[in-house]
Amino acid sequence: DADVTQTPRNRITKTGKRIMLECSQTKGHDRMYWYRQDPGLGLQLIYYSFDVKDINKGEISDGYSVSRQAQAKFSLSLESAIPNQTALYFCATSNEGQGLNEQFFGPGTRLTVL
Amino acid sequence: DAKTTQPTSMDCAEGRAANLPCNHSTISGNEYVYWYRQIHSQGPQYIIHGLKNNETNEMASLIITEDRKSSTLILPHATLRDTAVYYCIVRLAPSNFGNEKLTFGTGTRLTIIP
Repeated sequence: DADVTQTPRNRITKTGKRIMLECSQTKGHDRMYWYRQDPGLGLQLIYYSFDVKDINKGEISDGYSVSRQAQAKFSLSLESAIPNQTALYFCATSNEGQGLNEQFFGPGTRLTVL
Repeated sequence: DAKTTQPTSMDCAEGRAANLPCNHSTISGNEYVYWYRQIHSQGPQYIIHGLKNNETNEMASLIITEDRKSSTLILPHATLRDTAVYYCIVRLAPSNFGNEKLTFGTGTRLTIIP
């Protein structure tokens, strides 16, 4: 089983709809992240969380919200989706605060907003 | 975090060494050089990182110039599965106080030619 899973893997929705993307991890990591990738570009950080009680905005948090329901779960919500939120979304985890140096990424969710 | 400059694309023959350059002329003394790669819209994968000494692991070698203003990622015997976008990232070392941000540029698209 994959260590970092994302659901759904693909989603098509309409403008104005509320969408939730889920991320779960079995690595036991404290830190979780949500990134967005637009075609041909690198990843941009949306939100990150160092533990269940900690939520921080990234570079492009406007239009998004997150919830860290448990150590293993971090969900991303689009309260009212708009077409320019069409992108590939990645969840990642890490234990970098404990001296490790890499982030582990999920397989991605491809979101299309019509 | 310091910015990086990478070539947009490179080709390499299968079985040969792939040498991917990165310029980071504004790197500061406490910033590390990290490399990640992304295979065809999958989640990025950590490759290697270093501060000033050359580093080697099972995937690659990292050569950092003495003035630390540039580096080269070396894949010693490239295979078709190494075809991917390679990101050079400069960042502070992870800690309990943050430094969590990975700033992905557009990277180098490496194509391994059979």
